[in-house]
Amino acid sequence: DQQVKQNSPSLSVQEGRISILNCDYTNSMFDYFLWYKKYPAEGPTFLISISSIKDKNEDGRFTVFLNKSAKHLSLHIVPSQPGDSAVYFCAASVPSGTYKYIFGTGTRLKVLA
Amino acid sequence: EAGVTQSPTHLIKTRGQQATLRCSPISGHTSVYWYQQALGLGLQFLLWYDEGEERNRGNFPPRFSGRQFPNYSSELNVNALELEDSALYLCASSPTGGSYGYTFGSGTRLTVV
Repeated sequence: DQQVKQNSPSLSVQEGRISILNCDYTNSMFDYFLWYKKYPAEGPTFLISISSIKDKNEDGRFTVFLNKSAKHLSLHIVPSQPGDSAVYFCAASVPSGTYKYIFGTGTRLKVLA
Repeated sequence: EAGVTQSPTHLIKTRGQQATLRCSPISGHTSVYWYQQALGLGLQFLLWYDEGEERNRGNFPPRFSGRQFPNYSSELNVNALELEDSALYLCASSPTGGSYGYTFGSGTRLTVV
């Protein structure tokens, strides 16, 4: 049972436009969400996070939105740059003290120059 | 500051053999996490070690095991290798708890033939 889902395996966006990556989850107990970016042959790198007490968090070109009622979060990248081309994973954690993050399957973003 | 280092980068083993993967966390980090990324799948949680103890494990068979040494480095052992164990194995570290995300290494690509 995939508790964190990224239903779009890939996304292509023109340089300078907005990229929107989506993530849905099923467990209402998740209280902390993160986005990681992964380039080929590298480990995932932390991008941005959001606590369940917030509905928006912004860091430069990256904004994460959380809609708890819909169990949905999204990552907006504005403006998109060719260097943003990577696989993006969303992850969620349960406040059980396990500190185990559950990851989605990833969305491959391609920003076209 | 050195990041999370994993060795070897690539490992080829024959079905039935054992594989040993190693991870050195960021200095000062006491928690080490292991994830498996099989083709087409997200990051699947394998194991969490903290202060030398196994704190949690994912839904993997017992032939996946590991340990954490006094210097907080960690080893993942996979016994009786099967073809489907072929995957990228990622190690991550955090200060105790990891409640605000981890830092990942670049991974070990294990191929079972």
